[in-house]
Amino acid sequence: KQEVTQIPAALSVPEGENLVLNCSFTDSAIYNLQWFRQDPGKGLTSLLLIQSSQREQTSGRLNASLDKSSGRSTLYIAASQPGDSATYLCAVRPPPGNTGKLIFGQGTTLQVKP
Amino acid sequence: NAGVTQTPKFRVLKTGQSMTLLCAQDMNHEYMYWYRQDPGMGLRLIHYSVGEGTTAKGEVPDGYNVSRLKKQNFLLGLESAAPSQTSVYFCASAQTGGSYNEQFFGPGTRLTVL
Repeated sequence: KQEVTQIPAALSVPEGENLVLNCSFTDSAIYNLQWFRQDPGKGLTSLLLIQSSQREQTSGRLNASLDKSSGRSTLYIAASQPGDSATYLCAVRPPPGNTGKLIFGQGTTLQVKP
Repeated sequence: NAGVTQTPKFRVLKTGQSMTLLCAQDMNHEYMYWYRQDPGMGLRLIHYSVGEGTTAKGEVPDGYNVSRLKKQNFLLGLESAAPSQTSVYFCASAQTGGSYNEQFFGPGTRLTVL
């Protein structure tokens, strides 16, 4: 059974710092991996989607990497800002890929202090 | 475009009462999903639909029923609410289930069962 884990559960950093969020999964048979952002009391916003054949995706100050063989993904946030404070969730899409089902990690809650 | 909307935003029920949560999307998406989010457990899939008139069970379907009579709407029903169903419920939609498609989430419904 696929399990997704995110460590740490919470992280606090000063503004301007570069940081890395971790996501690990137990079964390397995935179709893709998505990173989401969730603000308090809000829904999820998709940040980056990495296909199983890709190694990384970039969007602005965000860079996500994927190493299927080791069951790991990282989300790199450059020059963090207080507005980056939120919970970040990763999710994998296991086979069969045509259902679109996602398996989520528990999330990492990030606080960026001014 | 409103995207994915959920009705209601908040609800308090007594044990044994019934209710229906409504999810609507205006993106002409084929696939729709219902998740629940509990503290420390991430999001878990309850039911999903791969097209109008279809439904399928997810990871935690017990105690819930769903219907997809119209392509744009996906209803989640609780026939006899239990305190264990206290949670935040999220609806999501996607164009297809293929690996290149992202899921778009609604703002959530916070349900408390007393």
